Amino acid sequence: DIVMTQSPLSLPVTPGEPASISCRSSQSLFHTRGYYHLDWYLQKPGQSPQLLIFSTSYRASGVPDRFSGSGSGTDFTLNITRVEAEDVGLYYCMQGLQTPITFGQGTRLEIK
Amino acid sequence: QVQLQQSGPGVVKPSLTLSLTCAISGDSVSTSRAAWNWIRQSPSRGLEWLGRTYYMTEWRSDYAVSLKGRITIMADTSKNQVSLQLNSVTLEDAAVYYCTRWSHSGHYFDIWARGTLVTVSS
Repeated sequence: DIVMTQSPLSLPVTPGEPASISCRSSQSLFHTRGYYHLDWYLQKPGQSPQLLIFSTSYRASGVPDRFSGSGSGTDFTLNITRVEAEDVGLYYCMQGLQTPITFGQGTRLEIK
Repeated sequence: QVQLQQSGPGVVKPSLTLSLTCAISGDSVSTSRAAWNWIRQSPSRGLEWLGRTYYMTEWRSDYAVSLKGRITIMADTSKNQVSLQLNSVTLEDAAVYYCTRWSHSGHYFDIWARGTLVTVSS
């Protein structure tokens, strides 16, 4: 199984400040179709997870442009340029390259 | 707009079978564009993919190896729904269970149900 490791696990951020979450996979997530199979999901309090970023760097429909994803190989990053109160929740990276699909442990973003 | 509506008991006795259904609206369970998955979430395990079923010239299913032998995910085309059965449950199976849609073209989970909290208790 591909193991996904996130850091930090807790991320207190002042509104308006940037935030960054790292995700590392135990093997390359390169897909033969030419992209890295890494997605990011956000689970807001009391809600189901929702797609944020797919294929490393593509924002899902309706996701503000303050969110961006980058990375390659086994190292990936989610960046938020200016954190807002509504960004609070659990952020998960996920690999969909092979089954079993696996998730990182989750990073809890909270507002200072 | 695609929606997934889960139903099933919130409490299951140890050693018995957990059964949940996921009714699909706005899409067909038989679509070749998606797979129907079950994922669970618990404090100890985080998000854990359990398995999926999808139609691609025939019905196919994949399961997490850790659950093989205990889990069955099936489609019911007459009701346009997907079901999850997990046999011989233990306390470790207590979790929030989610039905989700996997987009074959986008390669991501684009639709999630609200989830069902399942407690294992005698």
